[in-house]
Amino acid sequence: AQSVTQLGSHVSVSEGALVLLRCNYSSSVPPYLFWYVQYPNQGLQLLLKYTTGATLVKGINGFEAEFKKSETSFHLTKPSAHMSDAAEYFCAVSLTGANNLFFGTGTRLTVIP
Amino acid sequence: DTAVSQTPKYLVTQMGNDKSIKCEQNLGHDTMYWYKQDSKKFLKIMFSYNNKELIINETVPNRFSPKSPDKAHLNLHINSLELGDSAVYFCASSQKDSFFTNYGYTFGSGTRLTVV
Repeated sequence: AQSVTQLGSHVSVSEGALVLLRCNYSSSVPPYLFWYVQYPNQGLQLLLKYTTGATLVKGINGFEAEFKKSETSFHLTKPSAHMSDAAEYFCAVSLTGANNLFFGTGTRLTVIP
Repeated sequence: DTAVSQTPKYLVTQMGNDKSIKCEQNLGHDTMYWYKQDSKKFLKIMFSYNNKELIINETVPNRFSPKSPDKAHLNLHINSLELGDSAVYFCASSQKDSFFTNYGYTFGSGTRLTVV
């Protein structure tokens, strides 16, 4: 079975501070991992994905994530938060041969001026 | 533009009505999906079609019936709408890599269904 756990349903950071959103996965086979962002009343936009190869993945808007197999983690980071980063962030996993994405429960990021 | 497009964006209807949501993708993907996002933002798959063939049918009331006339379209028809059906419904499509793993997921902008 596979699952994704996002620690912290709400995260608040000050503008300019480090953003760290946590994601841990459970999988019996090598996973493909994704981070999506959902701005208020909008759809899901892909931030970045890990499939194979380099474990540090860079995405859009200055975000990056590192796949750590030993820790079964795929945490999302950004060095300096902007007000425009306020949104809901979803971690998701897809498995070899599987036919869909399994989503975490989401983390709402608030950026404080 | 290449995208996954779904219509309508908003749908307000009364209990008991029948409604449809349409989805089209021009990305050339073989697999399409319907996801439901509830009021707590949780996303869960409802259906998945691969080349017009149903491959995932999660525990969803049979009032929900997907239809895929071709691999670029996946529509969702809902009969006898109930208050609990109120949610945001997302269409998505994906492509497989050489490991037959889906990874190129692209989502539509969602349809907010409100049943009154």
